[in-house]
Amino acid sequence: DTAVSQTPKYLVTQMGNDKSIKCEQNLGHDTMYWYKQDSKKFLKIMFSYNNKELIINETVPNRFSPKSPDKAHLNLHINSLELGDSAVYFCASSQAGTQYFGPGTRLLVL
Amino acid sequence: AQTVTQSQPEMSVQEAETVTLSCTYDTSENNYYLFWYKQPPSRQMILVIRQEAYKQQNATENRFSVNFQKAAKSFSLKISDSQLGDTAMYFCAFMKRSGAGSYQLTFGKGTKLSVIP
Repeated sequence: DTAVSQTPKYLVTQMGNDKSIKCEQNLGHDTMYWYKQDSKKFLKIMFSYNNKELIINETVPNRFSPKSPDKAHLNLHINSLELGDSAVYFCASSQAGTQYFGPGTRLLVL
Repeated sequence: AQTVTQSQPEMSVQEAETVTLSCTYDTSENNYYLFWYKQPPSRQMILVIRQEAYKQQNATENRFSVNFQKAAKSFSLKISDSQLGDTAMYFCAFMKRSGAGSYQLTFGKGTKLSVIP
C-alpha cells in the first residue's frame, strides 16, 4: 500500500564500506529523486531521474551512484563510506511537480 | 539560484490557537510552485499544502492556509486551531521545472513548531 518505500530504514556501517539504499514507488510516476538531510535537518537534492534518465546531478561526490533499473525504482549506491556521509537519505517521486517522499533511511557511518 | 529563507528557527503555540510560519524566497523565475512540508518526529516528510505561482487565490487545506504575496516573494503558512499532532518541523520549499519532467525543490532550513497542551 505504501506509495514510496525505502529499504533499509536504518543502516549502521564502518568507514570504507560500500552500501546501497533501495527505493520503489507504486504511484506510476515518471520522475524519482534522492535527497540528503544533514544533522541540522537541511534537505538538499542529490539526483533526479526521469524515465530512467539522469536529469539532475547536484555536486555530489563520485562515490555516490544512482541506478534506475526501471521507472519505479531508483537505488543509491555509496562507495567508500566516510563519516560525513552520515545523514538521512530520502527518496521521492513526482508527476506534474508535487513530490511525495519515502520514509527516509538513516545512515550512520562509524 | 533560488534561495528560501525561514526566519523563525523555533516557534510554539498553545493548543487550539492560531500560528503563522514565515517564508520568503528569492527567484528570477516567473513560473514556479511553492510548498509547505511537515516532518514530525517520525521523520516522514508530509505534504501540507501547495501553491502555484500563477494563481492569485491562496491555497487552503482544512486548518492550513497560506498567504502568498508574489510581488513580495512571501509565502507564509497559517495553522488554525492548532493540535498536538501539528508538532513538527515545517519546511517551506520552492520548486521550478528542471527539464524532461523533472522538478527541482529548494528547501528552507525549517521551523520547529511545538504545540503546547
